[in-house]
Amino acid sequence: LAKTTQPISMDSYEGQEVNITCSHNNIATNDYITWYQQFPSQGPRFIIQGYKTKVTNEVASLFIPADRKSSTLSLPRVSLSDTAVYYCLVGLMDSNYQLIWGAGTKLIIKP
Amino acid sequence: ETGVTQTPRHLVMGMTNKKSLKCEQHLGHNAMYWYKQSAKKPLELMFVYNFKEQTENNSVPSRFSPECPNSSHLFLHLHTLQPEDSALYLCASSQVASGSYNEQFFGPGTRLTVL
Repeated sequence: LAKTTQPISMDSYEGQEVNITCSHNNIATNDYITWYQQFPSQGPRFIIQGYKTKVTNEVASLFIPADRKSSTLSLPRVSLSDTAVYYCLVGLMDSNYQLIWGAGTKLIIKP
Repeated sequence: ETGVTQTPRHLVMGMTNKKSLKCEQHLGHNAMYWYKQSAKKPLELMFVYNFKEQTENNSVPSRFSPECPNSSHLFLHLHTLQPEDSALYLCASSQVASGSYNEQFFGPGTRLTVL
């Protein structure tokens, strides 16, 4: 089974770019990598998903190297409201519904 | 507002009680999920229902019993729980639960405390 590893916590400042890296050993060929954001007292919320290379949407970018053993979520110009826990999720297409969640990275943005 | 609601938001129960958690989704999705979230641990997928059929159990203890009467409603029936079952229970839905990953929409969760 693939296992994801993320830093437990990170700090940054408003206006900075933040990069959070997730390691996922033994990721299978057809697996997708997804990131979620969770605020206190709320369920996780989808941010971005990718398979390889780079994906960008209106809130984040996701970088996946050729070997796909890691991925990096990039948040441009963060604000205080980006303070949350960020989860890396690897979807295993060949092992029904074995969605492997990371333990999450607590990101704290300071003024 | 994600389109997924859960009730109650908070629940305190004794080990001998029987209670139920309710989840409702207003998104027209066909798959619903129960997760357990404990402090400082990854989310644990407990149950998956795809078109009202249970497709994943993940070795959850029998004191947790899911029910999915239709594609919009999901229940988690609880009985004779243990203190270690105290956690945040999250419900989620997605378009379908197929082999490829689908974006999941989560409810706010039920904070359960077992005394």
